[in-house]
Amino acid sequence: NAGVTQTPKFRILKIGQSMTLQCAQDMNHNYMYWYRQDPGMGLKLIYYSVGAGITDKGEVPNGYNVSRSTTEDFPLRLELAAPSQTSVYFCASSYYSGGTNYGYTFGSGTRLTVV
Amino acid sequence: EDKVVQSPLSLVVHEGDTVTLNCSYEVTNFRSLLWYKQEKKAPTFLFMLTSSGIEKKSGRLSSILDKKELFSILNITATQTGDSAVYLCAVEVDEWGDDKIIFGKGTRLHILP
Repeated sequence: NAGVTQTPKFRILKIGQSMTLQCAQDMNHNYMYWYRQDPGMGLKLIYYSVGAGITDKGEVPNGYNVSRSTTEDFPLRLELAAPSQTSVYFCASSYYSGGTNYGYTFGSGTRLTVV
Repeated sequence: EDKVVQSPLSLVVHEGDTVTLNCSYEVTNFRSLLWYKQEKKAPTFLFMLTSSGIEKKSGRLSSILDKKELFSILNITATQTGDSAVYLCAVEVDEWGDDKIIFGKGTRLHILP
């Protein structure tokens, strides 16, 4: 049981490049989330998914895209990277049932620098 | 607009001191309040609070929620240098039948030996 696995751990992108941040969980969690964390700003929700095939925007979705073709995987795509996307990205998952969320689990984070 | 406010933003104390971290919120459709500890890696879950007045305890850490006054506190007694971290408060809300989490900016706690 690996929990939430994020790859890569670090990446440097040039302005205008694209990349995909991978996130996988093996806990059969139905909810998955992508956050970014900027210094002094706390975590901000980018996108989330309540189940396979369903995704929704969070607070800061511009410049990102996601897909949820399986329960396990929730990749985050950055198109045309900009310096403002320099941040630490966290993927998380949880099991939601009966009006309650259980077992929030975070990945170890991806540190992305756009130069 | 839903918001979560933590105070203080940073705190420096000596080992052995007791600290209280505050989290206030203004949200619609409150579900739960969560506390996390973040060191170098991803935040680790500490507590989930859903009911007022019931203290949750884990070792030297404890937390309580006041749903009438819309705040929560996180207490750490007999602090140790390993408690140095950013402590995040988050509130879970029900938005149109889905679940959303709103985070505060965190309290950066530094414990001096």
